[in-house]
Amino acid sequence: GNSVTQMEGPVTLSEEAFLTINCTYTATGYPSLFWYVQYPGEGLQLLLKATKADDKGSNKGFEATYRKETTSFHLEKGSVQVSDSAVYFCALGGGGGNKLTFGTGTQLKVEL
Amino acid sequence: DADVTQTPRNRITKTGKRIMLECSQTKGHDRMYWYRQDPGLGLRLIYYSFDVKDINKGEISDGYSVSRQAQAKFSLSLESAIPNQTALYFCATSGGIRADEQFFGPGTRLTVL
Repeated sequence: GNSVTQMEGPVTLSEEAFLTINCTYTATGYPSLFWYVQYPGEGLQLLLKATKADDKGSNKGFEATYRKETTSFHLEKGSVQVSDSAVYFCALGGGGGNKLTFGTGTQLKVEL
Repeated sequence: DADVTQTPRNRITKTGKRIMLECSQTKGHDRMYWYRQDPGLGLRLIYYSFDVKDINKGEISDGYSVSRQAQAKFSLSLESAIPNQTALYFCATSGGIRADEQFFGPGTRLTVL
């Protein structure tokens, strides 16, 4: 079945540092890949997505590239801000009915 | 106004009680989903519905039931709550030309004593 593995947190960075959150997946076929973000006390929001191999999703300075050869979809941002502190979830679609399979989430803390 | 709303936002109940969590959406989406979130486990799908007449079990449906009263409303029930159902519950919707993108409500924090 489908599964998503992402790095455990928390990840603590200083403001303006470079961010990478690793995500790898196992799936049959050609799933879509997503990153969702959950700010404290809120529901999840779609951050970015990629629907086929070599696609790059980007939003709010974050980006991730769909790498079929390494089955990865790592999230990156060149310079994080305190306001980026949140929990980030990698997810895989295509399970029929647009179901999503989520990773366990990675908490990011950005300090001044 | 929020596109996906959940009521209540917080609920504390006792073991054995029946609980209903409600979800409403104004996005006009045909698909609705219920997830639970537990620390270290991410989100797991409980039930999902493609339209009013379609209900499907997800990964962890035991102990839960759902009702799709209208296109805009999808309720989750715990017939006899137990402590390990203590979790954060999220409703989500999807539809239209970007049906692969899900939109989440703010969540209901349920505590079963």
